[in-house]
Amino acid sequence: DTAVSQTPKYLVTQMGNDKSIKCEQNLGHDTMYWYKQDSKKFLKIMFSYNNKELIINETVPNRFSPKSPDKAHLNLHINSLELGDSAVYFCASRLNTGELFFGEGSRLTVL
Amino acid sequence: AQSVAQPEDQVKVAEGNPLTVKCTYSVSGNPYLFWYVQYPNRGLQFLLKYITGDNLVKGSYGFEAEFNKSQTSFHLKKPSALVSDSALYFCAVSPPNNFNKFYFGSGTKLNVKP
Repeated sequence: DTAVSQTPKYLVTQMGNDKSIKCEQNLGHDTMYWYKQDSKKFLKIMFSYNNKELIINETVPNRFSPKSPDKAHLNLHINSLELGDSAVYFCASRLNTGELFFGEGSRLTVL
Repeated sequence: AQSVAQPEDQVKVAEGNPLTVKCTYSVSGNPYLFWYVQYPNRGLQFLLKYITGDNLVKGSYGFEAEFNKSQTSFHLKKPSALVSDSALYFCAVSPPNNFNKFYFGSGTKLNVKP
């Protein structure tokens, strides 16, 4: 009965590879997000979708492409991975009253 | 520019003592303010929020926060800290009438010693 679930939890890959992280929420929320948390724990918003439509794109490189097949899913695809992409990526969904519900995170390590 | 600041990287308190984790914000208009907690290797969890009304808001696990408009602050408090409260705490702010954007502070690590 997990509210926001992300897969995979851990991802180790080589520079230059392409990888995807999947996110699903069963809360019925309309808005979903991707956040990046770096090694210093800073949280930075990357994308936001509302009912499958992109509403926020925070100067993220074109190598990052979100996809929302329906309002319960928001996937993140990353092309040509770089060392600096190593981080924990969090998916979240939002209640209409503002509260965010986060997934457990996907730790990406680029070697 | 919208921003939120957590001036302390770390706060240390003894179990049973009161705790305060500080947050100040810079948002035009009347902001929406939130506190989240992150335990190791976990996602963030919502603790409490201020939208409007009473300046003192109560949240999960005995935490409360006080909105102070003149000081543009939203400090998190708890009367009696528990060792299990040890975690990373994030303050966040949304511009008025716009929940789409959240600005998170840099986080404060709370260490409660037995």
